[in-house]
Amino acid sequence: AQSVTQLDSQVPVFEEAPVELRCNYSSSVSVYLFWYVQYPNQGLQLLLKYLSGSTLVKGINGFEAEFNKSQTSFHLRKPSVHISDTAEYFCAVSRTSGTYKYIFGTGTRLKVLA
Amino acid sequence: ETGVTQTPRHLVMGMTNKKSLKCEQHLGHNAMYWYKQSAKKPLELMFVYSLEERVENNSVPSRFSPECPNSSHLFLHLHTLQPEDSALYLCASSQADRNTEAFFGQGTRLTVV
Repeated sequence: AQSVTQLDSQVPVFEEAPVELRCNYSSSVSVYLFWYVQYPNQGLQLLLKYLSGSTLVKGINGFEAEFNKSQTSFHLRKPSVHISDTAEYFCAVSRTSGTYKYIFGTGTRLKVLA
Repeated sequence: ETGVTQTPRHLVMGMTNKKSLKCEQHLGHNAMYWYKQSAKKPLELMFVYSLEERVENNSVPSRFSPECPNSSHLFLHLHTLQPEDSALYLCASSQADRNTEAFFGQGTRLTVV
């Protein structure tokens, strides 16, 4: 089985400061990794994904994440945040084969302060 | 229309009512999902349909009944719900044979009174 841990439930950060949202996963099989963002009363929107290849992946809105297999982590980073980045961020994993289901972490609420 | 569309966006129902949530995807995908999102809990996977067959049922109470008549449509039939069933219900779709990202609808905010 797969599981995802997002240790930080809330992260406050000042506008134009850098931010890192942490994600660790557990799986006995190969996985794909994803970050999604959710704005209030909306569904989830894909920010970026790691399928294979380069461990540094770039996504929309200036976000990037690095896959670290030895540490089973997939942390999300942005060098300079904006007020509009205030939202809930979810890390997710899925198996690379077999029954296709996406397992999510509990989410991290990013609050950007002026 | 593009993407994944869910209707209604908001629903208030009594515990004795019967209602249905609808999801439609216009992405040509062949797998569809229902998730439940409650406050301060991780997204709970409820059901997975792949090629119109249910492949996953995560111990969901029988008062939730899914239906997938074709690869573009997914329903969640609700009856005799409890107040703790109040949540945001999210539908998603993906391409099963490629198993990359899932695309989500905007959700139905359900309140059981």
